[in-house]
Amino acid sequence: GAVVSQHPSRVICKSGTSVKIECRSLDFQATTMFWYRQFPKQSLMLMATSNEGSKATYEQGVEKDKFLINHASLTLSTLTVTSAHPEDSSFYICSARPDTDEQYFGPGTRLTVT
Amino acid sequence: ILNVEQSPQSLHVQEGDSTNFTCGFPSSNFYALHWYRWETAKSPEALFVMTLNGDEKKKGRISATLNTKEGYSYLYIKGSQPEDSATYLCAFTPGGGNKLTFGTGTQLKVEL
Repeated sequence: GAVVSQHPSRVICKSGTSVKIECRSLDFQATTMFWYRQFPKQSLMLMATSNEGSKATYEQGVEKDKFLINHASLTLSTLTVTSAHPEDSSFYICSARPDTDEQYFGPGTRLTVT
Repeated sequence: ILNVEQSPQSLHVQEGDSTNFTCGFPSSNFYALHWYRWETAKSPEALFVMTLNGDEKKKGRISATLNTKEGYSYLYIKGSQPEDSATYLCAFTPGGGNKLTFGTGTQLKVEL
């Protein structure tokens, strides 16, 4: 139980284009979903928290107009990186939280912007 | 800014060795401490959530302890096996919130 999928696992895009990453909780309903990114040799850093049906809450320093988050249902959240640039190249990973203290993670998406 | 420190950064042990690593976190405004195991190309897997000072949790050969007064947690692996090779992450949740602040992890490699 508590499986979270993430798609795509790897994406390469050109500078200036937008990329959408999907995060799905497969066997539970997630009241809250979280988006993290990890740069090389650094820790997972929280980007934003989203609750189903409401606007995401972004961490300090994360541009909400660049990283669009939609949490349209209790099992799906999407992160769209708009007008991507090479500095956005990173590992993006989501987690989903049912009504407990635990977060269940997807396998992550490696984004490379050329 | 919350600081979560993990040590060592990496560790190589032989099959059958027992090992342990440390997670340091802020001792004030504590709510929970999480341990995850993260194998390459897979999702981080939740190992333990600990909330009470003095908590000890065990899952098979893996156990963890918690000291909230001094701000540290230890993860122990008894009789390491090659399948234990992974990065072990700890994450801290402060009181009143549900956000996780992660350490950089301890990368464990168990060799035959």
